[in-house]
Amino acid sequence: DAGVIQSPRHEVTEMGQEVTLRCKPISGHDYLFWYRQTMMRGLELLIYFNNNVPIDDSGMPEDRFSAKMPNASFSTLKIQPSEPRDSAVYFCASTSYRLNTGELFFGEGSRLTVL
Amino acid sequence: AQSVTQPDIHITVSEGASLELRCNYSYGATPYLFWYVQSPGQGLQLLLKYFSGDTLVQGIKGFEAEFKRSQSSFNLRKPSVHWSDAAEYFCAVVATGGTGGFKTIFGAGTRLFVKA
Repeated sequence: DAGVIQSPRHEVTEMGQEVTLRCKPISGHDYLFWYRQTMMRGLELLIYFNNNVPIDDSGMPEDRFSAKMPNASFSTLKIQPSEPRDSAVYFCASTSYRLNTGELFFGEGSRLTVL
Repeated sequence: AQSVTQPDIHITVSEGASLELRCNYSYGATPYLFWYVQSPGQGLQLLLKYFSGDTLVQGIKGFEAEFKRSQSSFNLRKPSVHWSDAAEYFCAVVATGGTGGFKTIFGAGTRLFVKA
């Protein structure tokens, strides 16, 4: 199995630009999570999906952030417009509570730098 | 609300010494508890997990953890630390949502330094 795949691995952009992060979960997993990691705030859950439906987006910082999951094999996290304080590592993770007992499988992350 | 507390931001141990990383959780029901490890530039990897049964669970890389309900704790231990264990360690709890969903809540992490 290829694992959770995220792209891009690194993104450097200027303030005000749109950023799109992508994630392909492990095949057969029905839960997908987006986390943000910073030194100051640690690992924050932004949003999670079950069967492509957003279940809890209470962690999304503000309206500049949006996430979609158009099908079981693809999700995006979009920031528009981006700001320097959005600089962080964004992780995607997937799991299936039917197939296992809750272990999250993480991608390698997308490191975002907003100048 | 569910929460996880890791009281130690960082810990330094000598190679070959024993290790204990502390974790306390707040959750109304029987929790699903996890320890993950993160090496620099990598995602998180599962070390071990507890759902029910034996309160002492074994994981990968020689780690173990003990669930103590009375103390709401799930501390991670290793009898002899290796230099390659230097990483950040996260304790986590799975919380069931009101709509039947699940989400994993992480502690702030403990960074482990290993000195020769």
